[in-house]
Amino acid sequence: NAGVTQTPKFQVLKTGQSMTLQCAQDMNHNSMYWYRQDPGMGLRLIYYSASEGTTDKGEVPNGYNVSRLNKREFSLRLESAAPSQTSVYFCASSGFSAGANVLTFGAGSRLTVL
Amino acid sequence: AQSVTQPDIHITVSEGASLELRCNYSYGATPYLFWYVQSPGQGLQLLLKYFSGDTLVQGIKGFEAEFKRSQSSFNLRKPSVHWSDAAEYFCAVGEGPEYGNKLVFGAGTILRVKS
Repeated sequence: NAGVTQTPKFQVLKTGQSMTLQCAQDMNHNSMYWYRQDPGMGLRLIYYSASEGTTDKGEVPNGYNVSRLNKREFSLRLESAAPSQTSVYFCASSGFSAGANVLTFGAGSRLTVL
Repeated sequence: AQSVTQPDIHITVSEGASLELRCNYSYGATPYLFWYVQSPGQGLQLLLKYFSGDTLVQGIKGFEAEFKRSQSSFNLRKPSVHWSDAAEYFCAVGEGPEYGNKLVFGAGTILRVKS
């Protein structure tokens, strides 16, 4: 039972480099999300996708792009990484459970931008 | 817009002692409330949720939480803490059943358990 799988788990980038974080879920969920987690700030939504073919900005979208490749996969791209994007990134998907929409999270991807 | 406040950044309790983690939210209607736990190096795991019915909800790992509308609170409790409960705990609130992008997280409370 894999749930939500993220790759890579760790990545170090230099300022200006680009990279893509991959996320896949095997729960047949329609909605998928990308959050970033910073100390003392909880989780903040970067982008989300309510269904295949749609994406929308969250609270902190600047500097990121996303692609909902199919129902299973939702990737996050940093085109030109900045030190302010050093963070832990979480992918999540959501499905209904007992009357409420419940998020299932991946294990996280720790990104350091030098 | 809704917001979530977890007043305690760190809490330390002795193993076997009781635990209460505080969560206050700001939202006009009946919120959808969640507690998640994050063990070091792991993703977030759902402990419990509330959206209607009995205001005292039971979750996994022996945790419970009580929704108090008059106090805008959803505090997490456990009668006897185990060393394995050391983790970071997040309270979250959403607008309605299809909250989607509107799930807001608190800043988290780090629980330390001393033997």
